[in-house]
Amino acid sequence: NAGVTQTPKFQVLKTGQSMTLQCAQDMNHEYMSWYRQDPGMGLRLIHYSVGAGITDQGEVPNGYNVSRSTTEDFPLRLLSAAPSQTSVYFCASSVTGENTEAFFGQGTRLTVV
Amino acid sequence: DQQVKQNSPSLSVQEGRISILNCDYTNSMFDYFLWYKKYPAEGPTFLISISSIKDKNEDGRFTVFLNKSAKHLSLHIVPSQPGDSAVYFCAASPEGRFGAGTRLTVKP
Repeated sequence: NAGVTQTPKFQVLKTGQSMTLQCAQDMNHEYMSWYRQDPGMGLRLIHYSVGAGITDQGEVPNGYNVSRSTTEDFPLRLLSAAPSQTSVYFCASSVTGENTEAFFGQGTRLTVV
Repeated sequence: DQQVKQNSPSLSVQEGRISILNCDYTNSMFDYFLWYKKYPAEGPTFLISISSIKDKNEDGRFTVFLNKSAKHLSLHIVPSQPGDSAVYFCAASPEGRFGAGTRLTVKP
């Protein structure tokens, strides 16, 4: 039962570097999303996708790009990392995205120095 | 703007007693609410949900109450167990908005 798999679990980046956080799900869910968790802020939605080829912005999209070429994969790209992007990132998937429970990955702890 | 608010960052209760976690929301377009539980170094896991057409949903030791007029929901855990110690997030759909979370500690 893989569910939602995120890689890597930990990452340290230097300011200005780029990287891709990987997310894959094996539940054939149409809806996938990326959140960041910061102390006192809860989880904030970065980007989401309602199906392959369709993506949209969430609450805090600046500095991040996404694509959805397959149902299974939803990578998150940091184009030029900034210290403000230090956070824990969670990928989630659900059947439809509305009124259904989300399944989360274990998270990626990112530090930008 | 925080459309979903959990105003208590932490809560401590004795084993066997009731835990009550609260959540307020501001957006009247929200029509479905969920509670998630999160242990350290893990992703959140779904606990229980409620549709806006209901005022109560129960699942074992967990009950969620919704007061639409007050834009308030609460999660009751009875009886509380040490394994319930975790951070609890309230979430609202559509839009996938989350509260800041409440850290529950259940003392043996």
